Order: sequence, then C-alpha cells, then structure tokens
Amino acid sequence: DAKTTQPTSMDCAEGRAANLPCNHSTISGNEYVYWYRQIHSQGPQYIIHGLKNNETNEMASLIITEDRKSSTLILPHATLRDTAVYYCIVLSPPNSGYALNFGKGTSLLVTP
Amino acid sequence: DTEVTQTPKHLVMGMTNKKSLKCEQHMGHRAMYWYKQKAKKPPELMFVYSYEKLSINESVPSRFSPECPNSSLLNLHLHALQPEDSALYLCASSQVSSGANVLTFGAGSRLTVL
Repeated sequence: DAKTTQPTSMDCAEGRAANLPCNHSTISGNEYVYWYRQIHSQGPQYIIHGLKNNETNEMASLIITEDRKSSTLILPHATLRDTAVYYCIVLSPPNSGYALNFGKGTSLLVTP
Repeated sequence: DTEVTQTPKHLVMGMTNKKSLKCEQHMGHRAMYWYKQKAKKPPELMFVYSYEKLSINESVPSRFSPECPNSSLLNLHLHALQPEDSALYLCASSQVSSGANVLTFGAGSRLTVL
C-alpha cells in the first residue's frame, strides 16, 4: 500500500475551515484514500473516502488532485470537538487483507 | 445497531494471569480486527479475521491469542503478558467487499500489566 505524508500538527480557529493535506505520491490506480480521526482516548472514527472524484458527506469534503498524488480533507466549519488526530490512509481493495495501517497522522487543534 | 462493543473498558492484570478481551458487533460484518495502541502512537494492526478465519497475523507474540467463535464475536486471550504490553486494545469490524472498505472501531479496552 502507498505511503502517506501528513504535517505533524495544525491549528485552526473555531468556525473556520480546517484544510488537512496528505501526500500520497506513490498511490496506484486501484487504491482508495481514507480519512479517519481519533479523538483523545476514543477509538478511531471513519470520516470519508474516495478513489478519483471529490467526495462530500455530512462530516467533511475530500478533494483529490487530478493526478491523485495528494488530497485535502476539509472540515468546513471547525468546532472544538473536531480537535483530534487525523489519519490519511491509502489502501487497495481486499487482496491486501482489508487492513488499515495507520501512519502518524496530523494532530489538529481547534482553538476558540 | 451500528456499534462495536468492547469489554472490559479497563483491565489490570499481573504477568502470570490469564484474561480475555471481548469484542462484539451486530452489523453483519464478516471481517474483524484487533489493533494495539501505545500512548501518543498510532494504532498498530495485530490480527485480521475474515469469515471467522484468521487472515492476517502481524507477527504478534504467542502470549496474545485471538479467537473468532462466530461472526459477531472476537476475543483476545491474554497470558503471561509483560508490562510493555500495557496499551489500549482496539477492536474493529467491516464488511467484506471488493471495493472500498470502511472500518467501525470500538472504544477500546485499556490494559495495564503489573
């Protein structure tokens, strides 16, 4: 599975958009980009995933570049409850055993 | 039911004890996972079960013994653990699909080995 690179930490003011980048320059054609987050002392929570097209759900938007070598997770109106570690993971379908391997992630701090 | 339930939430055990962690889901998922997470580190994959069969073992020491008695239950049997095994143990489940695969995680069992 492709390796990902994320900034170690980011800050965002409450109410503003949080834009979390992820580099996955070695991604292959059948690999999905997943985003999860982990709020302190809780289990990881799925946010969104995509293959080629941009995606949006009730939590966030995922923007994938045309060459698929990077992506950005957008939390449109960050709240204090969005303070968490955000993990970008690239994974190919089942022949890799369905297993998410977490990198170090980005620690997002939302401030009042 | 859209949850993965892990019990106990907290467990303290001695190095000679035998204990088990339990994980349960009723979402019809046929893949189940154990992860280990040390403080300030990302979760590390330990085991994956697919259709109740062990499909991935990430070279985990034999003092950790997984068991999947049916499609809803996943156990992790613990024996002769070391203090460095103290961690948050996370269970997850997912559907088995040929496309995207989304994991649902439990809240974890926090293990302390004395």
